[in-house]
Amino acid sequence: GEDVEQSLFLSVREGDSSVINCTYTDSSSTYLYWYKQEPGAGLQLLTYIFSNMDMKQDQRLTVLLNKKDKHLSLRIADTQTGDSAIYFCAERMDSSYKLIFGSGTRLLVRP
Amino acid sequence: DSGVTQTPKHLITATGQRVTLRCSPRSGDLSVYWYQQSLDQGLQFLIQYYNGEERAKGNILERFSAQQFPDLHSELNLSSLELGDSALYFCASSPQVGGTNYGYTFGSGTRLTVV
Repeated sequence: GEDVEQSLFLSVREGDSSVINCTYTDSSSTYLYWYKQEPGAGLQLLTYIFSNMDMKQDQRLTVLLNKKDKHLSLRIADTQTGDSAIYFCAERMDSSYKLIFGSGTRLLVRP
Repeated sequence: DSGVTQTPKHLITATGQRVTLRCSPRSGDLSVYWYQQSLDQGLQFLIQYYNGEERAKGNILERFSAQQFPDLHSELNLSSLELGDSALYFCASSPQVGGTNYGYTFGSGTRLTVV
């Protein structure tokens, strides 16, 4: 079935690293995404990774992909209070091209 | 501003009523997607249109319908509204059917409250 799973909540101290985890279902998914949703706003694409990659780094963001375990993670280095938001992972179903989202992980950054 | 425009931003209506949510995709995008975000069910895919034609359907209720017009804007019609339909409704767009490596571009959503 189509199911992307994430933990619901993560709390970290400002300046620490945050790691948000996600498991997905479709091993043939070509693209996997991380989106950020701030209060009262829509979803903003943070980064994506192509399925033939193991890792992608973009400034403070590092995405790790373990295709064997269908596990995706997002690491935010030097987490700031402005990073407090809900983070969604999503997989693109190549059979239908629709994006399937996880339930979102609420990240709280404590001063 | 993402380039995807949704109106209205907020909508309060009574049970049993019918509402229309509107979405203008980003300039040049041919695909429009509708998602429902509620507290207990996360982000649920409703329906996708590409260049005026329905391309994929998700968990969309029979009371809901959508269309994409020749100018590529889309409308989501919700009828016989129930309290449980209260949610954020997002529209997203992409250049072609499957999105790109950039995924979709989301609007800021319409918050629907059914009282």
